[in-house]
Amino acid sequence: EPEVTQTPSHQVTQMGQEVILRCVPISNHLYFYWYRQILGQKVEFLVSFYNNEISEKSEIFDDQFSVERPDGSNFTLKIRSTKLEDSAMYFCASSEARTRGGELFFGEGSRLTVL
Amino acid sequence: GENVEQHPSTLSVQEGDSAVIKCTYSDSASNYFPWYKQELGKRPQLIIDIRSNVGEKKDQRIAVTLNKTAKHFSLHITETQPEDSAVYFCAASSPGPANAGNMLTFGGGTRLMVKP
Repeated sequence: EPEVTQTPSHQVTQMGQEVILRCVPISNHLYFYWYRQILGQKVEFLVSFYNNEISEKSEIFDDQFSVERPDGSNFTLKIRSTKLEDSAMYFCASSEARTRGGELFFGEGSRLTVL
Repeated sequence: GENVEQHPSTLSVQEGDSAVIKCTYSDSASNYFPWYKQELGKRPQLIIDIRSNVGEKKDQRIAVTLNKTAKHFSLHITETQPEDSAVYFCAASSPGPANAGNMLTFGGGTRLMVKP
């Protein structure tokens, strides 16, 4: 069964450093998402991406965050200057279409620890 | 925006008993309500979902009910087993721009513990 894959599984960084989290969505999916989950809390929406542009973003997704689809398979989340409060599990997800099925398939997550 | 509340935050049941988790949502335009199961350190995985044109859906031991008027939906697990122990999240998706995909708002989660 096709899966969303994410790398790295765990990254430790110093405050103020740039971090790039990588995702490979399921190949025939059209919509891509980033969510985050602070330890013990709910999963929160960050951003959705369709047709090579951001289609929706939350208040969390400020100027420190950016997303990119640099090639036909990868989807990346960049945090320009990490803060302690960016420590969380970041989940990439993809879906085939908005109306058909609608199921979001999540990756295993990238745990980011900011020291 | 949408707000989803989920109760209880923890639920402990004996193996074989039923478990019920409830969620309420705020946006009456929401039309898609999935439930995800998340085991410790793993990805959320869809276990069942329901659309606003349906009042109830069942898949073996799990069922979901939706009351659009009251804006609440519930997950029912019958004959619980120890492997059902996990955190369960409800979510709601409201229509948005056509290119926005399926932006989900999650509830706070319910830690279900099934005791053998």
